[in-house]
Amino acid sequence: DQQVKQNSPSLSVQEGRISILNCDYTNSMFDYFLWYKKYPAEGPTFLISISSIKDKNEDGRFTVFLNKSAKHLSLHIVPSQPGDSAVYFCAAKTGANNLFFGTGTRLTVIP
Amino acid sequence: GAVVSQHPSRVICKSGTSVKIECRSLDFQATTMFWYRQFPKQSLMLMATSNEGSKATYEQGVEKDKFLINHASLTLSTLTVTSAHPEDSSFYICSARGDPSGGRQETQYFGPGTRLLVL
Repeated sequence: DQQVKQNSPSLSVQEGRISILNCDYTNSMFDYFLWYKKYPAEGPTFLISISSIKDKNEDGRFTVFLNKSAKHLSLHIVPSQPGDSAVYFCAAKTGANNLFFGTGTRLTVIP
Repeated sequence: GAVVSQHPSRVICKSGTSVKIECRSLDFQATTMFWYRQFPKQSLMLMATSNEGSKATYEQGVEKDKFLINHASLTLSTLTVTSAHPEDSSFYICSARGDPSGGRQETQYFGPGTRLLVL
């Protein structure tokens, strides 16, 4: 059972525009959420995270929004750059437990 | 940020042989390390969790006798794929969780992965 879902396998955005990557989850006990960026043949790189006590966390061009009532989080990248092209995974956890990953969204930023 | 290394990055072996993959946390002590497997176009699937000095906890469906995990120190965990078969060909990724300087306890830091091809 996939507890974390990324329903869009791919997304294409023009350089300079906003990229919005979405993630839904089913387990209401999740209390910490993370986004990872992954290039081919490399391990995921931690990007940004958010605790369930917040609804927004911002780090430079990256902002993560959390809507607990909808069990939905999103990652906004603005402005998008060609170097942002990668696969983005959202992940969620409960306490000190393991991470549950989504299936990933491949972002392509078109120059 | 925290750095996790994996060795080797790529390995090709014959069917029936064993392959060992090392995962090291380079600048922090990892009390917990995780081993994942990723098939093409699929998500990361957790195989097992290992805590330093204790036996690994395997996820359902993962054969513990086939995928041997050793976490002998706070900076090193190894995954040995025993009697490898072509269906074991995959991308194996480790991650480490600890208390890196300036980092967060909740964050897992991933290694670069190991591509295993069993002929």
